[in-house]
Amino acid sequence: AAGVIQSPRHLIKEKRETATLKCYPIPRHDTVYWYQQGPGQDPQFLISFYEKMQSDKGSIPDRFSAQQFSDYHSELNMSSLELGDSALYFCASSLSPQETQYFGPGTRLLVL
Amino acid sequence: GQQLNQSPQSMFIQEGEDVSMNCTSSSIFNTWLWYKQDPGEGPVLLIALYKAGELTSNGRLTAQFGITRKDSFLNISASIPSDVGIYFCAGQNYGGSQGNLIFGKGTKLSVKP
Repeated sequence: AAGVIQSPRHLIKEKRETATLKCYPIPRHDTVYWYQQGPGQDPQFLISFYEKMQSDKGSIPDRFSAQQFSDYHSELNMSSLELGDSALYFCASSLSPQETQYFGPGTRLLVL
Repeated sequence: GQQLNQSPQSMFIQEGEDVSMNCTSSSIFNTWLWYKQDPGEGPVLLIALYKAGELTSNGRLTAQFGITRKDSFLNISASIPSDVGIYFCAGQNYGGSQGNLIFGKGTKLSVKP
């Protein structure tokens, strides 16, 4: 069965650079969530989209922005990167906001 | 905000042993979920619980949604080496277009030396 696809899987950036992470949800899933997981931590909710509109916002820094496109894929844009942004970034998708979320394999971001 | 208390933080298992872990919250959830995460990978859904009191099994895994909607437990019977990993509970409240997950801190399962 098709799963959530994330790219790139690994990314190395320097401080103050920008990064763009991509997420392709499971076909027919119209809801996308982004989570950040620091080393040894649990995933923390950043932002979500339903039917191409932002539906909820969590602990997302102002330096980050995201959107969901007409084909339902989503991109997380991160600017002025800081060392503390080094983490695993997961995208999850669901059939609707009330349905079960399925996670992608994640993007490991390292900021030097 | 809502927080989940997951215990134990870590445990060592010997093949064939039964394992138990649980999560509690000070507030109620509509849905409880249990995920397993291997190092560097995304969380994989094990069991989803939708109704208070619900008891659900998935192979050697059994999970229950507490009657008060503030807690859940996960049991693994007859553990095997591939059960090693980090197990997360997650609570979900949904309304309108919102439904983000709140995670516990995780239970790390390791093999007894």
